[in-house]
Amino acid sequence: GENVEQHPSTLSVQEGDSAVIKCTYSDSASNYFPWYKQELGKRPQLIIDIRSNVGEKKDQRIAVTLNKTAKHFSLHITETQPEDSAVYFCAASRTSGTYKYIFGTGTRLKVLA
Amino acid sequence: DTGVSQDPRHKITKRGQNVTFRCDPISEHNRLYWYRQTLGQGPEFLTYFQNEAQLEKSRLLSDRFSAERPKGSFSTLEIQRTEQGDSAMYLCASSLGQLSGANVLTFGAGSRLTVL
Repeated sequence: GENVEQHPSTLSVQEGDSAVIKCTYSDSASNYFPWYKQELGKRPQLIIDIRSNVGEKKDQRIAVTLNKTAKHFSLHITETQPEDSAVYFCAASRTSGTYKYIFGTGTRLKVLA
Repeated sequence: DTGVSQDPRHKITKRGQNVTFRCDPISEHNRLYWYRQTLGQGPEFLTYFQNEAQLEKSRLLSDRFSAERPKGSFSTLEIQRTEQGDSAMYLCASSLGQLSGANVLTFGAGSRLTVL
C-alpha cells in the first residue's frame, strides 16, 4: 500500500543553523506534498506545501524541494530559532481519484539556544 | 467558529465500553477526514467523506470502528467494545475539496481516548 518514510526521527541543531528533513513516498500518483508542524499538545498546522509541477518552493526561512523521479521531497529550515522546535510531518496526497493523505512518522526538531 | 471543532477533548473509558466522538468541520468544507495518532507517530488515516458519502476506509481499520456524516456537515466516529490498543488521539480534519488542485487539510484539536 501507500507509504511515506521520513528521516531523521529526531534532529538537534544549534540556533542559527539549518535543518533538513527528508521524505520518500511510494505512490507514484501522488502530486501534492504538504508539511505540518505540531507543537506539544497542539494540532498539526500546515507550514508549507508543494505541488508536483514545481521543484522548489520558498517561504521566508522555510523551503521545500521535490524530486518526482526519485519520489523524494525535503523540508529545509534556515536560521533556525528556538520556536522552530516541534515535530514536523510530511505527507503525500493525490489531487484526483482518492484524496486521502498519507503521513510520515514525524521528525522531532530541537533547536538549542 | 472558523475552525474544526472536536468533542469531547478527552475521554476515559473502561475496556469493552463504546465511545463516540464528534467533529464539526469548517462550514464550507465538503471533505472530512478522521485520523488516529499515537505518541511519537504520524497521523494514521482512518476514513474520509466527501459530503455525506464515505469514500474510503482504511483496510487496517477494525469493524469495531464506524463513522458517519449523515447530512454532510458534522461527523461522528464510534468505537465499539473498546480495547486498550484503541487509546490514542483521534484527529478530525476538513478540506474545501476543490475539483482541481490540492485541498489543504485543517485539523481539529483532537479527542484523546484512554481505555483502562
